[in-house]
Amino acid sequence: QVQLVQSGAEVKKPGASVKVSCKASGFTFSSYYMNWVRQAPGQGLEWMGIISPTGDSTTYAQSFQGRVTMTRGTTTSTVYMELSSLRSEDTAVYYCARGGGIAARPYDYWGQGTLVTVSS
Amino acid sequence: EIVLTQSPGTLSLSPGERATLSCRASQSVSSSFLAWYQHKPGQAPRLLLYAASSRATGIPDRFSGTGSGTDFTLTISRLEPEDFAVYYCQLYGSSRTFGQGTKVEIK
Repeated sequence: QVQLVQSGAEVKKPGASVKVSCKASGFTFSSYYMNWVRQAPGQGLEWMGIISPTGDSTTYAQSFQGRVTMTRGTTTSTVYMELSSLRSEDTAVYYCARGGGIAARPYDYWGQGTLVTVSS
Repeated sequence: EIVLTQSPGTLSLSPGERATLSCRASQSVSSSFLAWYQHKPGQAPRLLLYAASSRATGIPDRFSGTGSGTDFTLTISRLEPEDFAVYYCQLYGSSRTFGQGTKVEIK
């Protein structure tokens, strides 16, 4: 069955970086775009960006431009999201989700979420 | 950038009642790329509907969607206890954005 398993919770200091992973199984990883979506406490869902099946193309939400980098390992079926220059407002649950892209698929499978806490 | 505005912010209803949630786009969008998700605390969001009205796998038929252009609606015909949650509409084509959510709470 399709599974997206994310890395564990992180606590970071302001100004630091965090890298969250999402390991896929149960489907042909190299055929799907992958996304990152976050939810800050008390807030709604916020789309962060998307990475192509081969990893050679990324599109980031304007609000994260310059701070976020999404990569993927085709042999490891893992997608990564690195967010730099962390501030307290980046405290959130971060989700990976399968979907979007040229085929414009809805986000049908999601990871379990990774809580990132930014605190001094 | 297209903005999705959901209303109401909170819907207080009893089990068995009908829920009607609205999602309005700031400009006309293709219904082919409009989805609805259910989100419960501590869980990942769950895809309910895609292409505005197509139910995702395993979604009960009490969930239905309509709309085109700028106005879309998610209807839950009779609320079950497990339906109390936050619901988001989303564009997943070339525009990628979520509405701010509607919380369906028990009255």
